[in-house]
This record gives sequence, C-alpha cells and structure tokens, in this order.
Amino acid sequence: DTGVSQDPRHKITKRGQNVTFRCDPISEHNRLYWYRQTLGQGPEFLTYFQNEAQLEKSRLLSDRFSAERPKGSFSTLEIQRTEQGDSAMYLCASSFAGNSYEQYFGPGTRLTVT
Amino acid sequence: AQSVTQLDSQVPVFEEAPVELRCNYSSSVSVYLFWYVQYPNQGLQLLLKYLSGSTLVESINGFEAEFNKSQTSFHLRKPSVHISDTAEYFCAVTRTSGNTPLVFGKGTRLSVIA
Repeated sequence: DTGVSQDPRHKITKRGQNVTFRCDPISEHNRLYWYRQTLGQGPEFLTYFQNEAQLEKSRLLSDRFSAERPKGSFSTLEIQRTEQGDSAMYLCASSFAGNSYEQYFGPGTRLTVT
Repeated sequence: AQSVTQLDSQVPVFEEAPVELRCNYSSSVSVYLFWYVQYPNQGLQLLLKYLSGSTLVESINGFEAEFNKSQTSFHLRKPSVHISDTAEYFCAVTRTSGNTPLVFGKGTRLSVIA
C-alpha cells in the first residue's frame, strides 16, 4: 500500500483555463474527500464520495468545480475557467466508511493561477 | 456547525524545551478531536486522536493532548522538542454521528531552534 497519491503535484495555469486533478486513494478505502487549503488557513472541505456516489458538497464548491469518482476508485477534480482566487493546495483524503474520521491524506496538488 | 480556533499562528521554541500548542473548539454536539501534522512538502499525517475513554492521548513520538470538555480544549504538548518536530500542526474536529467531514483550525507553525 503506497498511500494516497495525487497528480500532478504542481500546476501553473493562466486565468480562464480549465484544470483537472487526479487522486488515487488507498485501495480498500471506499470514502474519498477533497479539501482546499489556502495560505495561512487549514484545509477546508469541498466534497466527498462513498464509492462512486457524491454524498456531500460544500458551499465552497462553485459551479465551476466538478468532481467525479466514476468507478469508485480514483477521483478527478476539475476547475473550469480558473480564477486567481482558485490558487491553493488541493488535498485528497480517503477512509473506510465505517471509520470515516480516520482520514489519510495525499501530498496535495498546488495550483497557481496567473 | 463546528469550529476550531488555534490561538497561535507561529510558535518558536528552542530545542529540548517544552511546548504547548493550543486548540479550542466550538460545537453543540459531541465531537471527536484530532491533531494532524504537516511536514514541509508533505501531506497531513494523523498525529493523535481523541474518540472516547481516557482524556489524555499520546502519540508515538512523544506528543500528548488532553481533552477538556468544560473548557472545550484539546491542547497539544511535548515536554522536549527536537529539530525534526518543526512542522505545521492542525487541530480538527468532527461530529461523533453522521460521518461529517473534518473541520480544521488555521494551523500553528512550530519552529524548533537549535
């Protein structure tokens, strides 16, 4: 088990472009979470999946954000028409559904929008 | 809703000195409490957790935290810090029921000085 992995680790994009991030959770975990962390702040919840179902979305997740977990394994987070305010670290975490408070985090994807 | 306050954004301390990182939370329902650590360029790692039972919980690397329900606190302590403890520390809570996402504080940057 190699833990939660995220790709890419860094992404620089121009304002208005679309970006997509990938998260591969720990293989036996059925819950997958996305968080966003801006400078000087703690992680803030965006959305989570149980298997392929998206069960909750934060108000932080604007219409420009979409997340999928098509086969209940890896997940993608897409941001359309990026804005400078989207610059942040995007963190993925996974857990068992019955033990969802014990979440394991990936290294994150750092997005810079210029 | 739950919220977490970490009163100190930065804590510098000399090597081998004791340290306390403060965490207070607000919640109208029962919560589980956590401390996560984030080393430079790495993801968050669970340091310790309080779920139930003894209010004093310990980590494998010498940190401890005490749950104080009356003061709604979960302060993190270590009697003697090492250079390798330099990192960002995040306090987090989640409801004991409903499988809700983690709510994090803004973090405390611990800098250990040789």
